[in-house]
Amino acid sequence: IAGITQAPTSQILAAGRRMTLRCTQDMRHNAMYWYRQDLGLGLRLIHYSNTAGTTGKGEVPDGYSVSRANTDDFPLTLASAVPSQTSVYFCASSHGGGPTDTQYFGPGTRLTVL
Amino acid sequence: AQKVTQAQTEISVVEKEDVTLDCVYETRDTTYYLFWYKQPPSGELVFLIRRNSFDEQNEISGRYSWNFQKSTSSFNFTITASQVVDSAVYFCALSEPPSNTGKLIFGQGTTLQVKP
Repeated sequence: IAGITQAPTSQILAAGRRMTLRCTQDMRHNAMYWYRQDLGLGLRLIHYSNTAGTTGKGEVPDGYSVSRANTDDFPLTLASAVPSQTSVYFCASSHGGGPTDTQYFGPGTRLTVL
Repeated sequence: AQKVTQAQTEISVVEKEDVTLDCVYETRDTTYYLFWYKQPPSGELVFLIRRNSFDEQNEISGRYSWNFQKSTSSFNFTITASQVVDSAVYFCALSEPPSNTGKLIFGQGTTLQVKP
């Protein structure tokens, strides 16, 4: 079934540890996104990529990095996790990077930083 | 600044009741796009609808309908004859052309509980 996969499904992490959340899509979408979801705040954009080889910062990029080596994969890395990064992380993709393109979301990764 | 407000944090209804979820947005631009997503208890976000700022016609899809009013900057979502399966968190979101990021600005979400 075509779509977006994320791994892991959930993770408990000690503060200070490095963690990479994986995201893969098989729809050949050009644009990909990472959001975090926190209660009462909705979803907020962390980083995005309009096409392979390019990335950009969203609303809350601090403490996170991304790379886009190819069309399908868009990993999100926490270099040194802190408790405030406890959240549910969603990866999304869209055909183009423009505002008319509907974004489709993965199942999410629930991350707890202790 | 661009902003989306969903003032209703939680709504509880009994099955078969109609329910309206409110969404109010703020934007400086004349061209923008509005979205609704559903997040059922399983956690994934499901796309429901996209609307551009030039199309104020109301949309109906089965039991779902959307009322877009530029005069009040609102994009409300109504579920007719609600069912237990409609229980979910619903998000309204705004996207604007000038950003070129396709950035979606989400509201805080409204949790809808439909009781049997």
